[in-house]
Amino acid sequence: AQSVTQLDSQVPVFEEAPVELRCNYSSSVSVYLFWYVQYPNQGLQLLLKYLSGSTLVKGINGFEAEFNKSQTSFHLRKPSVHISDTAEYFCAVILRFGNEKLTFGTGTRLTIIP
Amino acid sequence: ETGVTQSPTHLIKTRGQQVTLRCSSQSGHNTVSWYQQALGQGPQFIFQYYREEENGRGNFPPRFSGLQFPNYSSELNVNALELDDSALYLCASSLDRTLYEQYFGPGTRLTVT
Repeated sequence: AQSVTQLDSQVPVFEEAPVELRCNYSSSVSVYLFWYVQYPNQGLQLLLKYLSGSTLVKGINGFEAEFNKSQTSFHLRKPSVHISDTAEYFCAVILRFGNEKLTFGTGTRLTIIP
Repeated sequence: ETGVTQSPTHLIKTRGQQVTLRCSSQSGHNTVSWYQQALGQGPQFIFQYYREEENGRGNFPPRFSGLQFPNYSSELNVNALELDDSALYLCASSLDRTLYEQYFGPGTRLTVT
């Protein structure tokens, strides 16, 4: 079965500084990878996804992520954060073939310091 | 085109009671998945409905059940509520079971006392 690890439960960052949120996954077969954002008291919004092709994926709000198969990682990055980026970020994985289950990590709370 | 909607927004129930949560899928979507998000945790997959049939289930007991209607809206029913059922319940809709293109609703916050 697949699993997702988000090592950092909380990440404080100064406004306009760069940020990286880490995600590692475990699976013996090919996967699709996702990053979702959850603003306070709201549902989940898809930031970006990796299905195939280029390992560098660009998403909404200036975020990007890089799929690294050898390190089984899919870290999320943004070169300059804003106050509005304060939210909970979830990494998720689904097997490429079969298994209809989307598995989420435990989330990383990104706090932007003015 | 309307997005995914859920009702009610908030709900307070007593242990042992039963609850029904509702989800309207995005226009044109025939698949609905339900997730439970406990405080401080990531969402956990409960089950998925495709064209009115259950199509996959996570590690949840049978007292969690669901329905999907001909218009593809869906209900999540939980019987014999326990304190640990307190959580945000999210539904997500997609087309033809494609979980890599899901759209989430705002969720229903259930509190069991």
